[in-house]
Amino acid sequence: AQKVTQAQTEISVVEKEDVTLDCVYETRDTTYYLFWYKQPPSGELVFLIRRNSFDEQNEISGRYSWNFQKSTSSFNFTITASQVVDSAVYFCALSEASTGGGADGLTFGKGTHLIIQP
Amino acid sequence: DTGVSQNPRHKITKRGQNVTFRCDPISEHNRLYWYRQTLGQGPEFLTYFQNEAQLEKSRLLSDRFSAERPKGSFSTLEIQRTEQGDSAMYLCASSVTSGGPASYEQFFGPGTRLTVL
Repeated sequence: AQKVTQAQTEISVVEKEDVTLDCVYETRDTTYYLFWYKQPPSGELVFLIRRNSFDEQNEISGRYSWNFQKSTSSFNFTITASQVVDSAVYFCALSEASTGGGADGLTFGKGTHLIIQP
Repeated sequence: DTGVSQNPRHKITKRGQNVTFRCDPISEHNRLYWYRQTLGQGPEFLTYFQNEAQLEKSRLLSDRFSAERPKGSFSTLEIQRTEQGDSAMYLCASSVTSGGPASYEQFFGPGTRLTVL
């Protein structure tokens, strides 16, 4: 069975600080996909990144970066120079490959509520 | 806007009543997913369709829940004899099975918030 653990329920930092959100996953599949989604106060889930199990290269997109380590089953997300607009709930999710080439349902963690104080 | 749309956005009902929600996916997306999210929790997978075929159902989907996607476009989720425990946000997502990595990207709608009194 799949499982995603986000141990940090809530993180509060002051604007311009760097912050890392942790994600640990469990799966028995060798082919799987990891995701991060952002859920702002408006409620709509916003896709941030997808990473497949064969690609351990870290990725940077502007102030966002992701560190994928298969050895520790972790997929951590760092925001550099945080801004108030980054305040949201962030979810890590896992999907195993399905027959037919697409995704099965996502397994989400419980989310980390990130508060950026001005 | 060509994103995923859901209607209604809010629904208040009395216990025991039936409710139906609608989801319109992104037009070229052949996969459609339903999730439920309760306060303070991550979304939980309920079921998904590829075109009109329902390919997987979660154990969370009790007999009171039924989902359809009759023409492979929009989908409906019906809850019969609602219970207070059904109160949640019901989310719809869609994706396309192109065979490449993009097949795994699910795009979510704004959700339907259900309150059962």
